[in-house]
Amino acid sequence: DVKVTQSSRYLVKRTGEKVFLECVQDMDHENMFWYRQDPGLGLRLIYFSYDVKMKEKGDIPEGYSVSREKKERFSLILESASTNQTSMYLCASSTSGTSGSYEQFFGPGTRLTVL
Amino acid sequence: AQSVSQHNHHVILSEAASLELGCNYSYGGTVNLFWYVQYPGQHLQLLLKYFSGDPLVKGIKGFEAEFIKSKFSFNLRKPSVQWSDTAEYFCAVQNHNTDKLIFGTGTRLQVFP
Repeated sequence: DVKVTQSSRYLVKRTGEKVFLECVQDMDHENMFWYRQDPGLGLRLIYFSYDVKMKEKGDIPEGYSVSREKKERFSLILESASTNQTSMYLCASSTSGTSGSYEQFFGPGTRLTVL
Repeated sequence: AQSVSQHNHHVILSEAASLELGCNYSYGGTVNLFWYVQYPGQHLQLLLKYFSGDPLVKGIKGFEAEFIKSKFSFNLRKPSVQWSDTAEYFCAVQNHNTDKLIFGTGTRLQVFP
C-alpha cells in the first residue's frame, strides 16, 4: 500500500522559531511536493523536488526553503516562522511524468499554528 | 498563467439528490485532469483521473466526470449522493510539460440524511 507520512499531525510554534516539517514516502517516487492548504484558497504549491538535491519553486515559496538529501525524504523549513504561516501543510509524491503515471499521493497533513 | 476554477464553493444536498460540481481550467494544450476528495479528518485521495481516451471517466464510489475539451471543463457527477459523500472536492489540472498540479479552490459538499 502506498504511503506518504508526515512527522507531525499538529505543531504549535512561536513567531521567529525555525520549523522543520518532514515527509517520507515509501514508493520510490522521483517527485515530491509541499503544499499549503487554506480555506477558500485550495492547495498552493510551495516547493517541488524532482530528484535528490533538486528543487523548484512553486507558487508561494517566500518564507520557505526545502531539503532533499535522500530520495524518500523531503523537508520543508520555515526559517523564521510568522503568524501568516499558520496553515495545513500537505506533502505529496509522484512518479516522474516520463513513466506515464502522474497521480500524486498525499500525506495526512501537518496543521501548524504559529503564535 | 494556468488556473482552475471551481464555481461552487459550498453545496448542500439531501441524500439521493444528484450532484454536479463544476471545474473549468485555462490552458490551451494537452492536459491531464483529476478530482481529489478529502473526507473530514482524512488525507486527500484520488477520486478519478483523465489522461486520454474516453472523455467520460468513472471513479470510485459511483463518481464520474466528463472532459469537454471545447469548454475546458471537467465536471464531476454522481446520480445519487449519500451522507458519506460529505467532503471537500478538489479539481486539479496538469499540463503535459510538467509533473506539477494546479488545484482549484475546492468545493465543500454537505449531504444531509
